[in-house]
Amino acid sequence: GNSVTQMEGPVTLSEEAFLTINCTYTATGYPSLFWYVQYPGEGLQLLLKATKADDKGSNKGFEATYRKETTSFHLEKGSVQVSDSAVYFCALALNTGNQFYFGTGTSLTVIP
Amino acid sequence: NAGVTQTPKFRILKIGQSMTLQCTQDMNHNYMYWYRQDPGMGLKLIYYSVGAGITDKGEVPNGYNVSRSTTEDFPLRLELAAPSQTSVYFCASRRGASGRGTDTQYFGPGTRLTVL
Repeated sequence: GNSVTQMEGPVTLSEEAFLTINCTYTATGYPSLFWYVQYPGEGLQLLLKATKADDKGSNKGFEATYRKETTSFHLEKGSVQVSDSAVYFCALALNTGNQFYFGTGTSLTVIP
Repeated sequence: NAGVTQTPKFRILKIGQSMTLQCTQDMNHNYMYWYRQDPGMGLKLIYYSVGAGITDKGEVPNGYNVSRSTTEDFPLRLELAAPSQTSVYFCASRRGASGRGTDTQYFGPGTRLTVL
């Protein structure tokens, strides 16, 4: 089947620390991969995506590389800010299906 | 371009009452979705639609109904509300044409529902 596994949270970092949130996937076809972010009290919004192997998605200092050989799409940021405090969701979608498959989310808190 | 809008933002229901959560998108997207998010949890798919007149069940459809009479609107109906339906409900849409795997899914701001 299709599924996404994210690292368990919550994650607490100091400002300017390096962030990695792990995401691995299982898919029956060739998926596109997404990272969504949910700020407190809001809906999910797209952070970045990659649609084929070896693509790198990037936005707002966040990056993730689509690694087919390790079925991974880890989210990284070199220097986090307090404003990055949010819940981050990894997701996949297939051309052959109708649904998105979301991970369980990883809560990030950045302290000054 | 408002994107995906949901009403109401908040609602408190008594056990056994019914209500409809409204969702509208103005992006002419074919696919629409309803999710629920319980506190500290991820998203669970309730129902989705791939076009007007076509709906299908997701992971947790019991206690809910949907309809899709137009491309823009995808209301979610709760019949006989129960405390287990206390949650935040998100509507989402995406284009869903050929190559739909690459589509971004756009979310509304959510409806926070409490059943007492």
